[in-house]
Amino acid sequence: AQTVTQSQPEMSVQEAETVTLSCTYDTSESDYYLFWYKQPPSRQMILVIRQEAYKQQNATENRFSVNFQKAAKSFSLKISDSQLGDAAMYFCAYRSSKSGSARQLTFGSGTQLTVLP
Amino acid sequence: DTAVSQTPKYLVTQMGNDKSIKCEQNLGHDTMYWYKQDSKKFLKIMFSYNNKELIINETVPNRFSPKSPDKAHLNLHINSLELGDSAVYFCASSFSPRANEQFFGPGTRLTVL
Repeated sequence: AQTVTQSQPEMSVQEAETVTLSCTYDTSESDYYLFWYKQPPSRQMILVIRQEAYKQQNATENRFSVNFQKAAKSFSLKISDSQLGDAAMYFCAYRSSKSGSARQLTFGSGTQLTVLP
Repeated sequence: DTAVSQTPKYLVTQMGNDKSIKCEQNLGHDTMYWYKQDSKKFLKIMFSYNNKELIINETVPNRFSPKSPDKAHLNLHINSLELGDSAVYFCASSFSPRANEQFFGPGTRLTVL
């Protein structure tokens, strides 16, 4: 079974600075997807960024980028120019792309990000 | 306009009661999911339906019964509620079981007293 580990329960960053959230995962599969979801106090789960394992290029979405290290099974999220609105719980998630497998998301335990003005 | 909606958003009830949470998506997706987020914010899959057919059924007490009357709806019925059922329940949908992205509803916070 796949597992996702987020070793930082809480992180803080100064507004306009850069912060990196860590995520590692364990799988025996070679093809899969990785995601970062954001959950602000409103509770809504919002997709921030996704990465296909077969792609070597790291995904980027505006101020959000990932450092995907497939061999190390590491998938960190970098937030540049942090804004107050980035304050939220961030979840790393894994999804298998293996044919016939269950396609649900497996989540890490989350990292609570505080942005300091 | 809401893509994935859940009702109610908050539910407070007594132990032993039976309650239902409804989920509807207007995205035309074929696949829907129920996730549970516990008090420590840990999210875990409970069920998934594709075209009204159950395709994922994790280790969940059989007091929980999902029902999908059509592709756009996936309801969650819970019998004999227990204190440990208190959590936030999220509905999600995707274009297919193989789709990259799942769209989440706003969540239903269930409190069992």
